[in-house]
Amino acid sequence: DAGVIQSPRHEVTEMGQEVTLRCKPISGHDYLFWYRQTMMRGLELLIYFNNNVPIDDSGMPEDRFSAKMPNASFSTLKIQPSEPRDSAVYFCASSSTLVNTGELFFGEGSRLTVL
Amino acid sequence: GQNIDQPTEMTATEGAIVQINCTYQTSGFNGLFWYQQHAGEAPTFLSYNVLDGLEEKGRFSSFLSRSKGYSYLLLKELQMKDSASYLCAVRRWNSGNTPLVFGKGTRLSVIA
Repeated sequence: DAGVIQSPRHEVTEMGQEVTLRCKPISGHDYLFWYRQTMMRGLELLIYFNNNVPIDDSGMPEDRFSAKMPNASFSTLKIQPSEPRDSAVYFCASSSTLVNTGELFFGEGSRLTVL
Repeated sequence: GQNIDQPTEMTATEGAIVQINCTYQTSGFNGLFWYQQHAGEAPTFLSYNVLDGLEEKGRFSSFLSRSKGYSYLLLKELQMKDSASYLCAVRRWNSGNTPLVFGKGTRLSVIA
């Protein structure tokens, strides 16, 4: 079975540019999460969706960040304009309420560097 | 609010046993998770505790005390491939798959 698929794996961009990160959750999973990981702050939740509906976006740093989930198999996280402090690894994860533990399955991450 | 504490780094010898502790203070509790993350890779699920006690899974065991807000991950017969970061995470609410709140992780180095 395919796991969570993220693209791009690596992105290097210049300050002020728009960045779009993509995620395909595991088929049949009804929850999707976007996390950001840095050495200083660890894994931080940005936003999560249930059945394609955003439930909590209180972790989104500021208006420069936006996320969408137009259907059950695709989500995007957009940063516009990007800043050097946005440099981090962005993880997408999905889970299913049918799994007893409700564990999160993570994608391989998108490593973003903003110069 | 929530606060999850675990040691930043630990070193242990191949073949030995190591215990990684985690303490938490969260508003609401619905399970504690341990994840393993090798450098440059995604976190992968190791264990889940929702009731007090010990859960054993091969060389790995995880313990939970809800009254003390305390958990530990026990790794036995350490192997070099166990060198990784170990993340403690708590699910706060009691309905649905609400998000996990993660600690900053413990970087374990296994030496020969």
